[in-house]
Amino acid sequence: SQQGEEDPQALSIQEGENATMNCSYKTSINNLQWYRQNSGRGLVHLILIRSNEREKHSGRLRVTLDTSKKSSSLLITASRAADTASYFCATDVTGANSKLTFGKGITLSVRP
Amino acid sequence: DAMVIQNPRYQVTQFGKPVTLSCSQTLNHNVMYWYQQKSSQAPKLLFHYYDKDFNNEADTPDNFQSRRPNTSFCFLDIRSPGLGDAAMYLCATSTGDLRGKFFGPGTRLTVL
Repeated sequence: SQQGEEDPQALSIQEGENATMNCSYKTSINNLQWYRQNSGRGLVHLILIRSNEREKHSGRLRVTLDTSKKSSSLLITASRAADTASYFCATDVTGANSKLTFGKGITLSVRP
Repeated sequence: DAMVIQNPRYQVTQFGKPVTLSCSQTLNHNVMYWYQQKSSQAPKLLFHYYDKDFNNEADTPDNFQSRRPNTSFCFLDIRSPGLGDAAMYLCATSTGDLRGKFFGPGTRLTVL
């Protein structure tokens, strides 16, 4: 069964607003990763957070991880139209990066 | 620039006609993966190579095969494509440590 499930499935916001996307998973993990996918393109790795980390930042991205709730959130601050894409969380159980299990993704639309 | 290249970007084949998708990388990563992504679904791992060691996912159909003749190249062979095999096929690479995966742009396969 699918490991990661994102919430909401679709999100539409105005440029400049913050976008918060959530991911829940079922089993213990070594790390969790977020990816972005523009329409019809490959996935781009955004950020990785290890199971012993609670929060991580990268530019306008902030990721949190709550292993007790088996959930993660991705916050994009001051969104731009170029942030329009699908966002996927993926869990890595073993830490060997051999197998990532992806969620179905969240479609983010940022209106100019 | 170091990258993951997939050819062709779009492939049309007929039902039952074998097709080969190609992936090459200039990153010199030792791990290469093939994912299948159907419309609005999560990418699903088909198999991966750790160097020359082939690792097949338990639920990958026998119809799907892979070859990795050297570090740079990896091929996905679909022996008898069915209509249900129409999807985006994503190749990815990694070093096997915790730095995330690098994805190619994907090959969109259409089966007529």
